[in-house]
Amino acid sequence: GAGVSQTPSNKVTEKGKYVELRCDPISGHTALYWYRQSLGQGPEFLIYFQGTGAADDSGLPNDRFFAVRPEGSVSTLKIQRTERGDSAVYLCASSLDSPGTNEKLFFGSGTQLSVL
Amino acid sequence: GEDVEQSLFLSVREGDSSVINCTYTDSSSTYLYWYKQEPGAGLQLLTYIFSNMDMKQDQRLTVLLNKKDKHLSLRIADTQTGDSAIYFCAESEGGGADGLTFGKGTHLIIQP
Repeated sequence: GAGVSQTPSNKVTEKGKYVELRCDPISGHTALYWYRQSLGQGPEFLIYFQGTGAADDSGLPNDRFFAVRPEGSVSTLKIQRTERGDSAVYLCASSLDSPGTNEKLFFGSGTQLSVL
Repeated sequence: GEDVEQSLFLSVREGDSSVINCTYTDSSSTYLYWYKQEPGAGLQLLTYIFSNMDMKQDQRLTVLLNKKDKHLSLRIADTQTGDSAIYFCAESEGGGADGLTFGKGTHLIIQP
C-alpha cells in the first residue's frame, strides 16, 4: 500500500484479556517501530525492528508486551493480561533508512486500544 | 535521559505567522523533526533539520535551530485554518536504534 496501515483502528477489550495489533509497513521499508501515545502526551518508543529481528526492545514497559515481525514486513504487537493503564493509541512507523542515517519515520493512523 | 519540551498551546489569528518553540536536552541529537498530527490521524512528517544547519525553509515553513541553546522553532507563515493541529518536536541521535524522542506536542489554535 501507499502508507503504513494499522488494524484494527479501534479495539475495546476487557481487563485481563489478550490483544493483537497489526502493522503493515510501507513496502520496502526495512525499519519498523512501535510507539505508544497516551492522552495528552507525545509518542513513546516501545520497540524497533530491523528486518525480522527486534534490534531494540528497551521501550516495552514489561513482559506482558511482545512484538514479532516474522517475515520482515508485517508486525504484530501482542499484549497479554491487559490492564486499564494499557489504554492508549498504539502507533506503528516504518523507515527506509537504517540507524545512523536520517530516520524519516512514516506513521500509520494508529490503533486506539481501550481496556475496560 | 533525553527530554524534549514544548509549550502545550498556541493561539494565532488566521493570516498571522505561528511560531512553535521546542527545547531539547540531548547534546548528541543529530536530526530534529517537526511532525503534525490532526484529529484521528497519524503523525505526518512536516520537515526536519540536520544539527549542523541553523535554518531550513520549505514553502510556508521555516525551521530555526540554535544548537548552543538546544532550541528549535517552527514558523508557519500565513497561518490557515487547515494548519490547526498538534505539532510535535522530535529528536534523534541518528545512530541509535530507539527511533525518535518526542515532546508532548503544541496545540495550534487558529482564530478567525
